This record gives sequence, structure tokens and C-alpha cells, in this order.
Amino acid sequence: DIQMTQSPSSLSASVGDRVTITCRAGQSISNYLNWYQQKPGKAPNLLIYAASSLESGVPSRFSGSGSGTDFTLTISSLQPEDFATYYCQQSYDNPITFGQGTRLEIK
Amino acid sequence: QITLKESGPTLVKPTQTLTLACTFSGFSFSTSGVSVGWIRQPPGKALEWLALIYWNDDKRYRPSLKTRLTIIKDTSKNQVVLTMTNMDPVDTATYYCAHSPYSGNYIDAFDVWGQGTMVTVSS
Repeated sequence: DIQMTQSPSSLSASVGDRVTITCRAGQSISNYLNWYQQKPGKAPNLLIYAASSLESGVPSRFSGSGSGTDFTLTISSLQPEDFATYYCQQSYDNPITFGQGTRLEIK
Repeated sequence: QITLKESGPTLVKPTQTLTLACTFSGFSFSTSGVSVGWIRQPPGKALEWLALIYWNDDKRYRPSLKTRLTIIKDTSKNQVVLTMTNMDPVDTATYYCAHSPYSGNYIDAFDVWGQGTMVTVSS
């Protein structure tokens, strides 16, 4: 299985901050990397697919970059509704695997 | 508008077989590149992918659970059904089904999810 490691595991930030979450794959996965946001008690919401493509309807303050093994999700200016848990997911190889999640909390 | 909704038992006993249905609307498996997957999430833990079925009826399973899982699609009912045999308390989780429009490019990114159904395994 390809292990996906996110850092940090948790993060405290303030409204208006620029935030970056990192996801590292255990082997090269090209650009087969997706990012999700999940709020408590809700299903995940797709933010970014194929490493850097913004999903329709997702605010432009979210962006993704990276290729190979190292990827980042950036939120350019945190909004109150962005406090949630974020997951990366690879679809390069079977099984599809998710990172352990990054919990973004209000400072 | 694409919607998916999971249905099935909320409580199963150890060793029993779990059958979950995902009833969908707003898309068709006749569209190239479409897939539906099942993902679960134990309480307080991360997401774990289980299985995926593609528009062309190809299927992928989590290798560690492959002997216990079966995924099928019933296009007449607009359903995707997942069965998991020999349930154990460690299988207690919220089970989600989710749609991907990108699977034709092998980018299995899930853009629409069901609300999830909590399944508890206990005697």
C-alpha cells in the first residue's frame, strides 16, 4: 500500500492567515492526488483533484500543487468556514489510500 | 444534480454479512469515466477506501479485504451494492458511497458523497 503522510496532524490558525498542509506519498504517484475537506458529522467535500485542479464550486482561496511524492494544499486567506479536517488521497495504485488527516483549528 | 444515499442495517452481529445499498440519481453508468466507490470511517479515525466499480463494470477492491467484499451495480434500480462478509467489531464505522466523474483518466476523485450510514458490529 502507498502510505500517505500529512503534516502537520493539527494546526491552529486565525481568520485571514495563509495556511499550507503537506502530503507526502511513500512512492511517486505522479499527479494522482486529491484533497478533501471534512466537517464534523459530514461527508468529505472534494477540493482539489489531480494535484492542482480546483473542483467546480470550490473557492479560489484553495489551491494545490506538487507532483511525484510531495504535495501541498494552500488556503490563501482562512475563512471561518474553513476550520475542518483535511485529507489527501492517492489514486495512483491499488488500494486507494488516504492520509491520516490534518485538523485545522481556530487560534 | 447528483445525489447518493446509503441504506442498510445499523447493527450487525459478528460473523454476519453486511449488505449496503447506494441509491443514486443524476448520473448514469452509461457515461464513460463514471465510477462509484465505498469508503468507510471508524469513529474518530481517518477515511478508508473499500471498493470501486467503473462504468465498464471493472472493479477494484482493497486487497486486504478482497476476500470479504463484493461490489455490483444494478442499473435498473440505480443502485450500487456492497456486501462485506464475516463482520467484526473492528468494522464498526460510517460507510459512505461516493461518485467520481474522473475515473476515465484514472483520477478516482470523489466529487459527490452520500450522507453516510453508521454500522455497528456488536453481539
